[in-house]
Amino acid sequence: EVQLVESGGGLVKPGRSLRLSCINSGFIFRDYAMTWFRQAPGKGLEWVGFIRSRLYGGAAEYAPSVKGRFTISRDDSKNTAYLQMNSLKTEDTAVYYCARAPKHGYDRYYFDYWGQGALVTVSS
Amino acid sequence: DVVMTQTPLSLPVTPGEPASISCRSSQSLLESDDGNTYLDWYLQRPGQSPQLLIHTLSYRASGVPDRFSGSGSGTDFTLKISRVEAEDVGIYYCMQRKEFPWTLGQGTKVEIK
Repeated sequence: EVQLVESGGGLVKPGRSLRLSCINSGFIFRDYAMTWFRQAPGKGLEWVGFIRSRLYGGAAEYAPSVKGRFTISRDDSKNTAYLQMNSLKTEDTAVYYCARAPKHGYDRYYFDYWGQGALVTVSS
Repeated sequence: DVVMTQTPLSLPVTPGEPASISCRSSQSLLESDDGNTYLDWYLQRPGQSPQLLIHTLSYRASGVPDRFSGSGSGTDFTLKISRVEAEDVGIYYCMQRKEFPWTLGQGTKVEIK
C-alpha cells in the first residue's frame, strides 16, 4: 500500500526555520518525483515546489512565493523527501502536503498519492 | 503566471442529477510538442487530503468512478459528473501543469441541495 506521511510541522516564530519530512512506503521511492502543496486556513490549494527523481537530474522547481526561502531535497536511502523552510513569514501558515509525482512523457508529472498533511503555524 | 479561473465557485447539486464545473486558463494548456493538454482535476473532500480525479485533460485516475469525465481544449475545460452521489461533495480544483509555476483554480464547492 502506497503511503506518504508528513512530519515536522508545528509553531514557529517569523524569521525562523522549519524542516518538513515526507516519509514514503509501498513504492520504489527513487523512481518518482515528489511535490509539495500547501493550504492556508480556509483557503485553496497552492503549489509550493517539486523535485525530480535522480534518474532525471534531481533538479527542483519552486513557486515564486517561496523561491529563495524554501528548498526541496530528497534522500532516496531513507525514502524521504524534505521541505526546508527558511525566513518564515506569517503568510506561510498552512497545512503542507507532499504528493507522489509519476512521470509521463518528457518531464511531465501528475500527482496520484497525497499525504495527510502537516500544519505549520508561523506566529510570534 | 497562468491564471486559472473556475466557475461557479459554489454548486448545489441533487443526487442522481448531472453536474459540471468550468475552468478557464489565461493561456493555452496545449503542448504543441506532444499534443497533450496539461490540465488536471482534484477533489478535496471535507477534512481530507486532495485526491486526483483526472489528469492530462481526460485521463481518469485509478479507482475514480467513470461518472467523472474531463474535456475541453486550449483554454476552456469542463469536469462533468454524470450522476452526482452524496460522496462527491467537497471542493474541486483544476490545475495546470503546462508551465512553471504550476497553478490552480480557486476551487468550486459542491454540496448537496
